[in-house]
Amino acid sequence: AAGVIQSPRHLIKEKRETATLKCYPIPRHDTVYWYQQGPGQDPQFLISFYEKMQSDKGSIPDRFSAQQFSDYHSELNMSSLELGDSALYFCASSWRLAGGPNEQFFGPGTRLTVL
Amino acid sequence: KNQVEQSPQSLIILEGKNCTLQCNYTVSPFSNLRWYKQDTGRGPVSLTIMTFSENTKSNGRYTATLDADTKQSSLHITASQLSDSASYICVVSALPSGTYKYIFGTGTRLKVLA
Repeated sequence: AAGVIQSPRHLIKEKRETATLKCYPIPRHDTVYWYQQGPGQDPQFLISFYEKMQSDKGSIPDRFSAQQFSDYHSELNMSSLELGDSALYFCASSWRLAGGPNEQFFGPGTRLTVL
Repeated sequence: KNQVEQSPQSLIILEGKNCTLQCNYTVSPFSNLRWYKQDTGRGPVSLTIMTFSENTKSNGRYTATLDADTKQSSLHITASQLSDSASYICVVSALPSGTYKYIFGTGTRLKVLA
């Protein structure tokens, strides 16, 4: 069965550079979530999209932006990278059923290292 | 293989009733276990976190238990409310925590009916 795909799996950037992380949800899933997990920390919710519209916003820095495209894939854009941005970035997807909560499926994550 | 399995996959209960969600894990070495509540399209909300030495922890109407010997945890919801309708995710952390080792469970979808 198809799973959530994230690319790249590993990324190394210098301070003040930009990075773009991509997430391809499971086919027919319409909701995408982004999480950031720093070393030894809980995953922190960043932002989510439903049907290409932002549905919820968490602790996403102003330097970051994200969007969901017509094919439902999502991109997390990160600018002016800082050392503290080094983390594992998870993407998850789900299919919103009318009137019910939905199971999330998590991708393998992108490990970003900022030097 | 590190795994976290939850049951049931989905559950429907009437408002005011109690329910218990299960989480079994094979993660080793174990660091801690978290229960999250997540509404559709929203970020997860942490309910409880328990380490190896803790057997039970409460947060309002939510009570989590942990049996580190059998590698099982449960989340008990008392006097359910309509707003409890959500996905409940069990997340187990493996040692050492600095290696980004968080294993997410499959989640239980709870629907509370009036």
